[in-house]
Amino acid sequence: DAGITQSPRHKVTETGTPVTLRCHQTENHRYMYWYRQDPGHGLRLIHYSYGVKDTDKGEVSDGYSVSRSKTEDFLLTLESATSSQTSVYFCAIRTGTSGTTDTQYFGPGTRLTVL
Amino acid sequence: AQSVTQPDIHITVSEGASLELRCNYSYGATPYLFWYVQSPGQGLQLLLKYFSGDTLVQGIKGFEAEFKRSQSSFNLRKPSVHWSDAAEYFCAVGAVSGGYQKVTFGIGTKLQVIP
Repeated sequence: DAGITQSPRHKVTETGTPVTLRCHQTENHRYMYWYRQDPGHGLRLIHYSYGVKDTDKGEVSDGYSVSRSKTEDFLLTLESATSSQTSVYFCAIRTGTSGTTDTQYFGPGTRLTVL
Repeated sequence: AQSVTQPDIHITVSEGASLELRCNYSYGATPYLFWYVQSPGQGLQLLLKYFSGDTLVQGIKGFEAEFKRSQSSFNLRKPSVHWSDAAEYFCAVGAVSGGYQKVTFGIGTKLQVIP
């Protein structure tokens, strides 16, 4: 358990509405990630953060934005939700900062349905 | 660019039988390799990881994996499967460039255990 919580755990929303998902960690890790999980695709990186106010795009970032104003919180916003964003969203933290032996640990996930 | 192939989408084994889940990776340098397990409705749990050294890696829950550079493989094994092992298993390869750790996941292998 890497001390990661995600909220909400489930959400149903309508097309065109903004949605914000929250990831909270208690262990002061520098690196945080947002992935989406879809059948047949495994996990794909949306955005990541390497410090407060420092973020960058992953491979499927279109339609998503992120913010990190505090070390412990990493927010993912769907600016205008679409049905293609129906997915399970996972937050992860990365232990360490050297890269060579770092490992990512995952939160419990948020299931988002866009109608 | 790195990639991971899990050739078996679905595997069924009898309880008590041995298990081998296949994973092939593509990466130009020495890879960092991971196996994660996901139970239904849960997040991903790290089973084991390989960074360097002994090519046979022991993990939690009685799992082990062997890194074979010549075959670009990192297969997961367990000598005797228990019903509680039914889950989805993800192989992943990681690389670090400029401090950014990119982890690429396979699409997963769903394991069914029959009595």
